[in-house]
Amino acid sequence: AIQMTQSPSSLSASVGDRVTITCRASQEISDDVAWYQQEPGKAPKLLIYAVSNLQTGVPSRFSGSGSGTVFTLTISSLQPEDSATYSCLQDNSYPYTFGQGTKLEI
Amino acid sequence: QVQLVESGGGVVQPGRSLRLSCAASGFTFSIHALHWVRQAPGKGLEWVAVISFDGTKRYYADSVKGRFTISRDNSRNILYLEINSLRPDETAVYYCAKDRVTFGVGEIDFWGQGTPVTVSS
Repeated sequence: AIQMTQSPSSLSASVGDRVTITCRASQEISDDVAWYQQEPGKAPKLLIYAVSNLQTGVPSRFSGSGSGTVFTLTISSLQPEDSATYSCLQDNSYPYTFGQGTKLEI
Repeated sequence: QVQLVESGGGVVQPGRSLRLSCAASGFTFSIHALHWVRQAPGKGLEWVAVISFDGTKRYYADSVKGRFTISRDNSRNILYLEINSLRPDETAVYYCAKDRVTFGVGEIDFWGQGTPVTVSS
């Protein structure tokens, strides 16, 4: 199975900061990476699919990039409501695998 | 709007079985693949299984292969997960989730609110 190594596991930042979260795949996965945001006690929400495509309704301060085995989620100007856990997902091959998650504290 | 409502969770003894259901509405059920994903308390997301739009293809996480069975009823818009030989470390919230792609498989774009399963004697 493809391993997705996500870093950092936790992050503390301030309103207005720019933050980056990284996922490294154990092998090439083309552009088959998605990013999710999950608030405590709630279901995950899709932010980005196919590396860099913003899901409808997601603020433009969220962006994704990368290729091959290294992928990043960037939040350009943090807002208080961005406090959540962020996870990457590879959908290149089965079994699908998630990164371990990054808990972002504002 | 898309709705996925899971049911069937609860407290179950180790080694017993459970069937989870997910009732879907707000989208064309029969053209989307569907997934189950679980999350143990305080842990990350773990993908469990997927079934193709027409039910002909099913794939599972290695950890559940042979014990879990995913199925769907396209006439009733319901997704199922049959779980056998439950273990205590499978205590988790089980989420039903919809695939973004039509007539194929891709990433998950919508999740239900989850149904909690507690495996304990």
